[in-house]
Amino acid sequence: DAGVIQSPRHEVTEMGQEVTLRCKPISGHNSLFWYRQTMMRGLELLIYFNNNVPIDDSGMPEDRFSAKMPNASFSTLKIQPSEPRDSAVYFCASSLWLTSNQPQHFGDGTRLSIL
Amino acid sequence: AQSVSQHNHHVILSEAASLELGCNYSYGGTVNLFWYVQYPGQHLQLLLKYFSGDPLVKGIKGFEAEFIKSKFSFNLRKPSVQWSDTAEYFCAVSSENAGNMLTFGGGTRLMVKP
Repeated sequence: DAGVIQSPRHEVTEMGQEVTLRCKPISGHNSLFWYRQTMMRGLELLIYFNNNVPIDDSGMPEDRFSAKMPNASFSTLKIQPSEPRDSAVYFCASSLWLTSNQPQHFGDGTRLSIL
Repeated sequence: AQSVSQHNHHVILSEAASLELGCNYSYGGTVNLFWYVQYPGQHLQLLLKYFSGDPLVKGIKGFEAEFIKSKFSFNLRKPSVQWSDTAEYFCAVSSENAGNMLTFGGGTRLMVKP
């Protein structure tokens, strides 16, 4: 079975550019999570969706970050304009939202470098 | 609000040594507990989980964890580590009040020397 699919795997771009990260959750999962991982801050939850609706975006660092989930099989995380401090690995995860005991399944991540 | 503490940030062991990684959470209600592992350059993978029942949970690759409610702990153990266990380990908790949102600990980096 296909897991969570993220693209691109690596992105290198100059500061000020717009960056779009993509995620396809596991089919049938109705919760989707975006995380950021850095050496300094560890793993941070940015935003999560249930049934395509954003539930908690309190982890989104600034207005430069936005996330959408137009349908059950696709989500984007956008940074505009990007800054060097946004360099990190961004993970997408999905789970089945029935009860709180469902584990999250992670994608391979997007390693983002802003020059 | 729930929180998770992993007190050991870095652990170095020799092969065949026994492993115990600490995890404490703060939440007074019913919780679900998870351990994830992240091998170098890879994504997080579920090692084991506890919902209810037997507080001693066995996971993949010989790992186990024990839920001690009175201590708010869910420590991860392995009797004999291998070089391939070198990874970062994350403890996480969810609760009914927080929906299915996971709260992760800061992680423990384990290095196993061959």
